[in-house]
Amino acid sequence: SQQGEEDPQALSIQEGENATMNCSYKTSINNLQWYRQNSGRGLVHLILIRSNEREKHSGRLRVTLDTSKKSSSLLITASRAADTASYFCATDFQYSGGGADGLTFGKGTHLIIQP
Amino acid sequence: GAVVSQHPSWVICKSGTSVKIECRSLDFQATTMFWYRQFPKQSLMLMATSNEGSKATYEQGVEKDKFLINHASLTLSTLTVTSAHPEDSSFYICSVSYRDRGYGYTFGSGTRLTVV
Repeated sequence: SQQGEEDPQALSIQEGENATMNCSYKTSINNLQWYRQNSGRGLVHLILIRSNEREKHSGRLRVTLDTSKKSSSLLITASRAADTASYFCATDFQYSGGGADGLTFGKGTHLIIQP
Repeated sequence: GAVVSQHPSWVICKSGTSVKIECRSLDFQATTMFWYRQFPKQSLMLMATSNEGSKATYEQGVEKDKFLINHASLTLSTLTVTSAHPEDSSFYICSVSYRDRGYGYTFGSGTRLTVV
């Protein structure tokens, strides 16, 4: 699978500031998802954006998608200490309606929110 | 989304032994489940797609004889790491894809395998 890239690999900011993470991928997609993973734990789905969408909001999260550049960004506004985690983008290349394919994950951004 | 239970959450085994990890879809009949592996400080890599009633589909580079997958029912898939070696130590996570409630994936809480 073609794993995407995320930047930055690590990000440390003060509580209350905004955090922006970027993700690039290599092939055409049906949708892109963002997940959060606390240390040593499972994944929590944050938001899904379809290939025909450009921007999506969910609470303090804002995701953009630029299919021409094959990139996406995740913005967390008014960050909190509890937002400290690793964040991964994941792409789904095939969704024919008849079967599912696994996700391809980016390398992730480790976000640290300093209290 | 779907509710997925993965067991055990952690396991320590001796080199050469086999370990079985279970992934259960508690409220959804999953014809397809996925198994991922995550090494420390790295991302998740898809290992295989588990298909109910048929053989699993393995990603390139994943040894199917070493990582045995059984998906005998619509609610249970198992991953058995056979003849485990220290390099198999990793975090293994299963996932279910669901369609009837929109679209998305739900992940198990993961299994931390340590081979000593």
